[in-house]
Amino acid sequence: KAGVTQTPRYLIKTRGQQVTLSCSPISGHRSVSWYQQTPGQGLQFLFEYFSETQRNKGNFPGRFSGRQFSNSRSEMNVSTLELGDSALYLCASSLGQGAVYPMNTEAFFGQGTRLTVV
Amino acid sequence: GIQVEQSPPDLILQEGANSTLRCNFSDSVNNLQWFHQNPWGQLINLFYIPSGTKQNGRLSATTVATERYSLLYISSSQTTDSGVYFCAVDSGNTPLVFGKGTRLSVIA
Repeated sequence: KAGVTQTPRYLIKTRGQQVTLSCSPISGHRSVSWYQQTPGQGLQFLFEYFSETQRNKGNFPGRFSGRQFSNSRSEMNVSTLELGDSALYLCASSLGQGAVYPMNTEAFFGQGTRLTVV
Repeated sequence: GIQVEQSPPDLILQEGANSTLRCNFSDSVNNLQWFHQNPWGQLINLFYIPSGTKQNGRLSATTVATERYSLLYISSSQTTDSGVYFCAVDSGNTPLVFGKGTRLSVIA
């Protein structure tokens, strides 16, 4: 069973540019979440998508956006890049069983995309 | 929102030693996971353990949900165990919240 696939693995962009990152979840998983990891702030939640709908959103500016397609693949976009956006971006995949409790929400992470803004 | 605290922040061990990492959380949880972040940044799943005890080789974990803590035990540590260990929790339809991690260095 294939794991979570993130592309690209590494990216160097210039301030002011925009970037799109991709995440393909584990087959059958309908929930995809995105996290940003920096040395100073640790792992911070960006947003979560479930069945093409944004279900949760973290405290990030509107320059950060995402979407999910009907095949559960997700993309996140960062516009007008700033130096502080340099980070490891991690995508997590889970079954996402909606409101059924108790829920198995075990998350599996991809290898990440390391973004450097210069 | 839910708070997660991990201790100790840093740990240096001689190869072969045992260690215990702790994770305290501030509210009841639906999910608790332990991860090991490898040098390339990937988070490797160690345990999905909202309650109870599990073992996997030299690693084991215990979560006491009523007292809001979890412990990760590493026995007979090896240099390949080095890295950062994260505890993360969620309370249902909420995002995973991560602790700041424990950085483990195992010296030969």
